[in-house]
Parts: sequence; structure tokens; C-alpha cells
Amino acid sequence: EVQLVESGGGLVQPGRSLRLSCAASGFTFDDYAMHWVRQAPGKGLEWVSGISWNSGSIGYADSVKGRFTISRDNAKNSLYLQMNSLRAEDTALYYCAREGSDILTGYTLNYFDYWGQGTLVTVSS
Amino acid sequence: QTVVTQEPSFSVSPGGTVTLTCGLSSGSVSTSYYPSWYQQTPGQAPRTLIYSTNTRSSGVPDRFSGSILGNKAALTITGAQADDESDYYCVLYMGSGISDVVFGGGTKLTVL
Repeated sequence: EVQLVESGGGLVQPGRSLRLSCAASGFTFDDYAMHWVRQAPGKGLEWVSGISWNSGSIGYADSVKGRFTISRDNAKNSLYLQMNSLRAEDTALYYCAREGSDILTGYTLNYFDYWGQGTLVTVSS
Repeated sequence: QTVVTQEPSFSVSPGGTVTLTCGLSSGSVSTSYYPSWYQQTPGQAPRTLIYSTNTRSSGVPDRFSGSILGNKAALTITGAQADDESDYYCVLYMGSGISDVVFGGGTKLTVL
């Protein structure tokens, strides 16, 4: 069974840092690209960042570019999001999501097939 | 910057059929955008419904279907049930890079 479990959220002051983790199990982690998606309270889903299976391709939303860093450790089946210079508008539930791919070819199907339950980040003084 | 558009809200009667759409502020949606659809109920993580325009994710009932209608992607729910009352989000891939992911603003579906 595929499982994605986020951790590391909490209350943090503006300008400070926080590191989120996502522990993956039930699949071959290094076969898949991974993403972070967030949802501010009462708002819609927003893509934050993505990383390819080998960390060779990385991307960020404009809203977090230069402040957030995505990384992964395939040996530990883990995905990370280092968040620096946090702002009140970064307050959100942060989800880890797997990028779906064709089981035969391994080619991406450009969607999110599994999601974690999320970890809440609150930025407030 | 191109915006992905969805109806903010929609309502459907129990047993009825509803079609939610996913468009672009500029241009037309095609299968090349790999439209996908997600359902989210309050307090829950998103659930994947449809990917690659019209492929149902594992375990999704066949009353959920995806298509291209005119210049938009569409999610049709046939025989709506009370527990279909949720928020529905579409996602489009705008290019070929890992950054080219854009969520629509979501549609709040009411079943009444």
C-alpha cells in the first residue's frame, strides 16, 4: 500500500525557517517524481514545488522561488521541503504528492496519483 | 500568466447529472494539457478521480467521467449522490517541465 506521511509542520515566526519531511513507503521511491502542494485555510490547492526521481529536474512556484528548497533522499525514501524566510501567506496545509507514471514505460502521466494527509504550517508572531 | 478557470460553485439534484469545466484564461484546453481532476471533502486530503483527460483512477466509480468539451476539460458526474458534495479541482500541465503544473481555483459542488 502506498503511503506518504508528512511531518515537520508547526507554528513559526515570520522570517524563520522550517523543514518539512515526507516519508514514503509501499512503492519504489526512486522511480517517481514527487511534489509539494499546499492549501491555505479556506482556499484552493496550490502547487509549490516538484522534483524528478533523480533530483535532476526541480521546479518552484513563483511565490516560493528563492525561499524554499526541495530535495529528496532516495536511500531514505524521503522527500523534503526547506522553507526559509517564511511569511504569513505561507500559512497552509502542506501535502506531499506522488507524480503518476505509466507502469510499463515509466513515462510521466502528469498528474498526482497519491497524496499524504498533510502537515500544517502556521506562520505568525 | 495563464490562469486555469473553474466555476466557483455548482449545484445538482440527487440523481442528476452535472458537468464541471476547466478552461484557460487564454486559449483552449486539449489532451496535450493532460487534464486531471481531484475531489476534496472538508478536512480530507485530495482524492484523485481522473487523469490524462478521461482515465479513471483506481477505485473511482464509472459515474465520474472526463472529457474535452469545446475548448475546456470537463468532469461529468452522472447520478449524483449526497457524498459527491465536495470541492473539485482540475490540474493542467502547461508545458514539458516539472514546474508547469497549474491548479484551477476549484468548484464547490452542492448536492441538494
